[in-house]
Amino acid sequence: AQSVTQPDARVTVSEGASLQLRCKYSYSATPYLFWYVQYPRQGLQLLLKYYSGDPVVQGVNGFEAEFSKSNSSFHLRKASVHWSDSAVYFCAVSMPYAQGLTFGLGTRVSVFP
Amino acid sequence: GGIITQTPKFLIGQEGQKLTLKCQQNFNHDTMYWYRQDSGKGLRLIYYSITENDLQKGDLSEGYDASREKKSSFSLTVTSAQKNEMAVFLCASSPTGGSNTEVFFGKGTRLTVV
Repeated sequence: AQSVTQPDARVTVSEGASLQLRCKYSYSATPYLFWYVQYPRQGLQLLLKYYSGDPVVQGVNGFEAEFSKSNSSFHLRKASVHWSDSAVYFCAVSMPYAQGLTFGLGTRVSVFP
Repeated sequence: GGIITQTPKFLIGQEGQKLTLKCQQNFNHDTMYWYRQDSGKGLRLIYYSITENDLQKGDLSEGYDASREKKSSFSLTVTSAQKNEMAVFLCASSPTGGSNTEVFFGKGTRLTVV
């Protein structure tokens, strides 16, 4: 079955440390890939997206993600987190000629000083 | 830039009640969506619309109706609220229905059924 998996429901990290959030997808073809962030009581905001080309894509606020076709993955990372990065992060995919996004369950990130 | 406005922000209903959630966007986007967000279950697509008066069912359409009376607005109706139901409903829009376009989200309507 087609799915998006974020294996870590919660991640806790110290301010200034690096962060990696994992995302794996299971689709017959390579989908379009997205990472969204949801701050408390807010809607979702796009961090970055991948359609094709360079497998490392840069996003906002120092985030980047790396696409791996062989691993069917699209992991998000940040070199040095700030307390304001505390939020829920969603990996999402869409398929060509399809409508809407399919989301993973999200990873809640807590950054401690 | 634009904005997606969802009303109301909080909605408390009674079991069996019909409840309507409203969404307005000023991006002039063609496609609009309704997602349901449950704790631990991520976001699931309820309905979407690719143009005025168009409606398409998502994975979670049972128990809901939707209406796209004009390009800028998309409403969702919970046909019969379920007791103890708690969820956040997110409205979204995108420039076209193309799968590689960014989807923009509103801040959500939080539903509690007592």
